[in-house]
Amino acid sequence: GAVVSQHPSRVICKSGTSVKIECRSLDFQATTMFWYRQFPKQSLMLMATSNEGSKATYEQGVEKDKFLINHASLTLSTLTVTSAHPEDSSFYICSALQVGVEAFFGQGTRLTVV
Amino acid sequence: GESVGLHLPTLSVQEGDNSIINCAYSNSASDYFIWYKQESGKGPQFIIDIRSNMDKRQGQRVTVLLNKTVKHLSLQIAATQPGDSAVYFCAEVGPSGTYKYIFGTGTRLKVLA
Repeated sequence: GAVVSQHPSRVICKSGTSVKIECRSLDFQATTMFWYRQFPKQSLMLMATSNEGSKATYEQGVEKDKFLINHASLTLSTLTVTSAHPEDSSFYICSALQVGVEAFFGQGTRLTVV
Repeated sequence: GESVGLHLPTLSVQEGDNSIINCAYSNSASDYFIWYKQESGKGPQFIIDIRSNMDKRQGQRVTVLLNKTVKHLSLQIAATQPGDSAVYFCAEVGPSGTYKYIFGTGTRLKVLA
């Protein structure tokens, strides 16, 4: 299957700082990518849909100023957690949509805010 | 979010037995369904999918059943092995053209030796 690379796999940051997570589709172009958040022992919750060249579409209850999404190319979307706080600690997962095929998932990023 | 889990239900099965994992989906307009396996600290791994014009699809050791009348999906794993231990999620996609994947609450499968 297609490969989606997510980086970093783990990050620890201080409260108040910002963290950027990258999602790359390595062998296909993805006009649409998705960002999910997963708390321990819970399901994946869709945060936003990232569209290349346009603004992301956020799900209800997700703060767009808190979770900045940029999809500047057909192979890269980034999620920036701004002014991170301990409650933002979570597992963040991206997926990239290969149209006509399916969405392929990255390996996730474990964010810990201390 | 559209899918909020509390605590994952757990299914414990003996090695070699068959496992059946169930999922209720929410949107009757969804037209594509996928089962994923997730191991600790990793992203979801595709297992098998089914489109809404089918009610059954078989893969290697796995079968997915779709009942659109009651909006229910099941995943059957034959001859369950220790390596099958993981959390399993169903995802619904649609309606057609939106490509929006919504995940179910998940089930933890524990294979007992």
